[in-house]
Amino acid sequence: QTVVTQEPSFSVSPGGTVTLTCGLSSGSVSTSYYPSWYQQTPGQAPRTLIYNTNTRSSGVPDRFSGSILGNKAALTITGAQADDESDYYCVLYMGNGIWVFGGGTKLTVL
Amino acid sequence: VQLLESGGGLVQPGGSLRLSCAASGFTFSSYAMSWVRQAPGKGLEWISVISGSGGTTYYADSVNGRFTISRDTSKSTLYLQMNSLRAEDTAIYYCAKGAGAVTRPVDYWGQGTLVTVSS
Repeated sequence: QTVVTQEPSFSVSPGGTVTLTCGLSSGSVSTSYYPSWYQQTPGQAPRTLIYNTNTRSSGVPDRFSGSILGNKAALTITGAQADDESDYYCVLYMGNGIWVFGGGTKLTVL
Repeated sequence: VQLLESGGGLVQPGGSLRLSCAASGFTFSSYAMSWVRQAPGKGLEWISVISGSGGTTYYADSVNGRFTISRDTSKSTLYLQMNSLRAEDTAIYYCAKGAGAVTRPVDYWGQGTLVTVSS
């Protein structure tokens, strides 16, 4: 079974830029996987940031952007702020109606 | 868009529970809907999706054969019937709207309802 991979944790300085990635244990991620990104803070429901590779959800600042980098999907945060400290999850469409989430990346801003 | 889940609670192993999700703010029948869960301290797990018409459903292997997703367009409500519940089904269950067909990802989330399976 194909696993969706994410960095378990990442750290960024306030004002800095960070790129989180979303890959496959076997194969490359393309736009056909409709990669999407979600932000979740403790005790809260997830919030959609990016869907269909690079479409920002309503109200999401343009500091957040999505792309394909090499063989992975990527979420880039520019000008990181303290309240960006959250868990970030990607999801990929595997075909046959099946979606699989990555294990999530815990982002620390310090 | 608003999604309001209900129906969670404490249930014994082997028991059943039905979750509901009341949707508003969009044309319910035009969008696929999903259920996503999160076990305590764990990540998100997609478990099921249903097409806008209700005619197509898909399930994760972990719940296939035990859970049934359905929708009532007249009530703009999504359901998840959960049977043969196990301790590992303990989680917050989120109702989520798709960005279109079942091949499109989630774009809006509800606040979740907690299901606890324990004796």
